[in-house]
Amino acid sequence: GDSVTQMEGPVTLSEEAFLTINCTYTATGYPSLFWYVQYPGEGLQLLLKATKADDKGSNKGFEATYRKETTSFHLEKGSVQVSDSAVYFCALGTGNQFYFGTGTSLTVIP
Amino acid sequence: DTEVTQTPKHLVMGMTNKKSLKCEQHMGHRAMYWYKQKAKKPPELMFVYSYEKLSINESVPSRFSPECPNSSLLNLHLHALQPEDSALYLCASSPPEGQPQETQYFGPGTRLLVL
Repeated sequence: GDSVTQMEGPVTLSEEAFLTINCTYTATGYPSLFWYVQYPGEGLQLLLKATKADDKGSNKGFEATYRKETTSFHLEKGSVQVSDSAVYFCALGTGNQFYFGTGTSLTVIP
Repeated sequence: DTEVTQTPKHLVMGMTNKKSLKCEQHMGHRAMYWYKQKAKKPPELMFVYSYEKLSINESVPSRFSPECPNSSLLNLHLHALQPEDSALYLCASSPPEGQPQETQYFGPGTRLLVL
């Protein structure tokens, strides 16, 4: 069945460091891929998405490219800030079904 | 506007109480969802409504009863809950299946504590 495998955390980085959070997927058909962010005590916010192979989603300095050949959708940011501290979820959407990864907790220290 | 609202923000209830969670969206979305999220875990799907009809029930205990009075509103009625039901309850909505670029938009959640 469809699934998402996400890099285990927690991840701790210094401010201005480079961030990569790995996400790979298994799917039949042509899913859409998403990254959601959850700040402490809040709901999930859509960070970025890509709906077909080779699409790049980007928002707030974060980027991820839908790579069909490696079945991946890794999240990257060139320079993280303290305010990026949150839990990041990779998700696969197909029809009305969503499959979430386990989440990666990111802490950015000044 | 991509806003989904949920009330209340926090709820404390006893095991014999009856309460309801409310979710509202005005994006014209025809699919709405209830998720349960425990601390440090991803959301777990509970129910899906499509065009105001229940389309998915993920074997949720009957003490949780969803209701979709119209295309903008989704309720979750709670009765005789257990302490292990304490969690963050998230509502989401999305365009109907078959629409391109289906995306689920989440509300801020209701944090429920069952004593």
